[in-house]
Amino acid sequence: QKEVEQDPGPLSVPEGAIVSLNCTYSNSAFQYFMWYRQYSRKGPELLMYTYSSGNKEDGRFTAQVDKSSKYISLFIRDSQPSDSATYLCAMGGFDSSYKLIFGSGTRLLVRP
Amino acid sequence: DGGITQSPKYLFRKEGQNVTLSCEQNLNHDAMYWYRQDPGQGLRLIYYSQIVNDFQKGDIAEGYSVSREKKESFPLTVTSAQKNPTAFYLCASSRGGTNQPQHFGDGTRLSIL
Repeated sequence: QKEVEQDPGPLSVPEGAIVSLNCTYSNSAFQYFMWYRQYSRKGPELLMYTYSSGNKEDGRFTAQVDKSSKYISLFIRDSQPSDSATYLCAMGGFDSSYKLIFGSGTRLLVRP
Repeated sequence: DGGITQSPKYLFRKEGQNVTLSCEQNLNHDAMYWYRQDPGQGLRLIYYSQIVNDFQKGDIAEGYSVSREKKESFPLTVTSAQKNPTAFYLCASSRGGTNQPQHFGDGTRLSIL
């Protein structure tokens, strides 16, 4: 079993839909959680960073962490074709190193 | 603009050849990382460095080597011992500390001739 599980998709939605992207994890020691967006042939771009449980909102994006269920989510409101990309979750703080554990990514396609 | 620069964007390796991928950052970050990305497998850590003149092996270090002689630079050498080097290689950096997010360059795609 992988430490971090993420559905690879693709997830196809119409423009304007609310998108929900999710990751589950097995290591209860994870302390902080990130979402990255990666366009084709580009490096991942940090979208959201959250520490411990709770919600964080930034524009059309909301990140949610439920440590009791070992489950994190990224919601995208009013999705746009430009949101079409692969979304990677990442988790860290499980030891004294600076290492992050990444999910394998979910590919999102927003249809005009 | 501050950021991470990886070069070249595309690289081809012949059998038995070592190749070096460049990574430079001007973010004044202490820590730097190298990842390999293969389709459907996410990012796997090759090497990381928390401070100049020090680095540690990641999960898939075999067939790779690194150096960290300057804070700004963390080159990765893919040696001939790496039998399956075709992949997308990503360099990242972060401030010191276990709770800092990593910021990525735009990658180098390495292929075998």
